[in-house]
Amino acid sequence: KQEVTQIPAALSVPEGENLVLNCSFTDSAIYNLQWFRQDPGKGLTSLLLIQSSQREQTSGRLNASLDKSSGRSTLYIAASQPGDSATYLCAVSGNNAGNMLTFGGGTRLMVKP
Amino acid sequence: NAGVTQTPKFQVLKTGQSMTLQCAQDMNHNSMYWYRQDPGMGLRLIYYSASEGTTDKGEVPNGYNVSRLNKREFSLRLESAAPSQTSVYFCASKGPLMPPQHFGDGTRLSIL
Repeated sequence: KQEVTQIPAALSVPEGENLVLNCSFTDSAIYNLQWFRQDPGKGLTSLLLIQSSQREQTSGRLNASLDKSSGRSTLYIAASQPGDSATYLCAVSGNNAGNMLTFGGGTRLMVKP
Repeated sequence: NAGVTQTPKFQVLKTGQSMTLQCAQDMNHNSMYWYRQDPGMGLRLIYYSASEGTTDKGEVPNGYNVSRLNKREFSLRLESAAPSQTSVYFCASKGPLMPPQHFGDGTRLSIL
C-alpha cells in the first residue's frame, strides 16, 4: 500500500526566505506526482504536476523535483511572500483505474511579513 | 467558471440520521471522486467513478454509498451517520486524459 509522508508538518518563515517542502512515498511505481495548495476553508488547487518520466517542473517561483528511485519530491518556493501562506499537499498517482491519488498529510506554511 | 460545486457547505447531523452530499461539475469530465479530509491525515479516497454508470470503492468506503446520476453529478450518501464520519468531504473531477483533478470547496460535516 502506498504511503506518502510530508515533512515538516508546519513551517513558519519570514518573508523573502527561500524554502523547501519535502514529500516521500513508499512505492516508486507511480504514474505522476502532484503538488496542491489548500487555503483555509477552501478546496485544493493544483500547483505542479510531474510525470514519472520527468525530473522537475517549474511555475513562476515554484519548482518541484522528483526522484522516483528514492521515493522523494521537493517543492522549492523562492522569495516567499505572505500570500504563499497555505497548506501544501503532495499526492502520488499509481497507474491504476481511475488514477487514484494518495495524499500526504500536508505542510502548513506561514510566511510572516 | 463554476468548476466543481458541492452542496451543502456545512451540515450538522445527529448520530443515525441520513444525508446526501451533492457534487456537480460543468467541465464535461469523465471521472469523479469523493474524498474525506481529517486533521493530520491528508485526503483519503472514499469512492470514485471513472465514467458515467460506473462506481468503485476507494480506501475508506465503509458507511458510504454513491450514485453517479449522470456525467455531471456524483452524490455521496451516509445512510446512518456516525461521529467517526465527522470530516470535511471533497468532491473532485478529472478529464479523460491528463490530470490534475479539480476540487470543490468541500462540505464540512459534523455528526453529534
